[in-house]
Amino acid sequence: EDKVVQSPLSLVVHEGDTVTLNCSYEVTNFRSLLWYKQEKKAPTFLFMLTSSGIEKKSGRLSSILDKKELFSILNITATQTGDSAVYLCESQNYGQNFVFGPGTRLSVLP
Amino acid sequence: DSGVTQTPKHLITATGQRVTLRCSPRSGDLSVYWYQQSLDQGLQFLIQYYNGEERAKGNILERFSAQQFPDLHSELNLSSLELGDSALYFCASSVAGGSHEQYFGPGTRLTVT
Repeated sequence: EDKVVQSPLSLVVHEGDTVTLNCSYEVTNFRSLLWYKQEKKAPTFLFMLTSSGIEKKSGRLSSILDKKELFSILNITATQTGDSAVYLCESQNYGQNFVFGPGTRLSVLP
Repeated sequence: DSGVTQTPKHLITATGQRVTLRCSPRSGDLSVYWYQQSLDQGLQFLIQYYNGEERAKGNILERFSAQQFPDLHSELNLSSLELGDSALYFCASSVAGGSHEQYFGPGTRLTVT
């Protein structure tokens, strides 16, 4: 059964800190890994990763995939209170199976 | 605003009843996905439609069914409702049926009493 695990499940930091969120997966016929940010309601798309070793970057957020070790990380530098949210990673495979991890709840204190 | 709309926002109903949740995808998106999010299970993939055809099935119960209409809007039908069906139901859409980022609607909060 396809599985996605995230760690830590919860994280509290102060503004300005840098955080690293982890996502590991065991997925048959893996195709891509996606990161989403979920604040009050709907998840919003952050990154889609399909190739190993290529960093995707958007402002203070960046992410990279390691297909050999089956994991991805999401980095957030110079955190702000607006970064407080649940961060979800999702695996997609060629069999059209979509599996989400449990999420990491990030709280950024002023 | 993702461009995906869902109605209703909230729904309260009794056990044993049947409800229909509606979703309109972003303009131009052909694929629609349904997810259930509960506190203990997280986000669970239910079903995907692409251009009117069922594309993939996840953990969807037999009491649940869905369809996508020619105008690409989709409906999720939940019947013989149980207390455990109480959850947030999200619809998402993507441009095509393969591996693409999904844009989520605001969700329908279903409460079964």
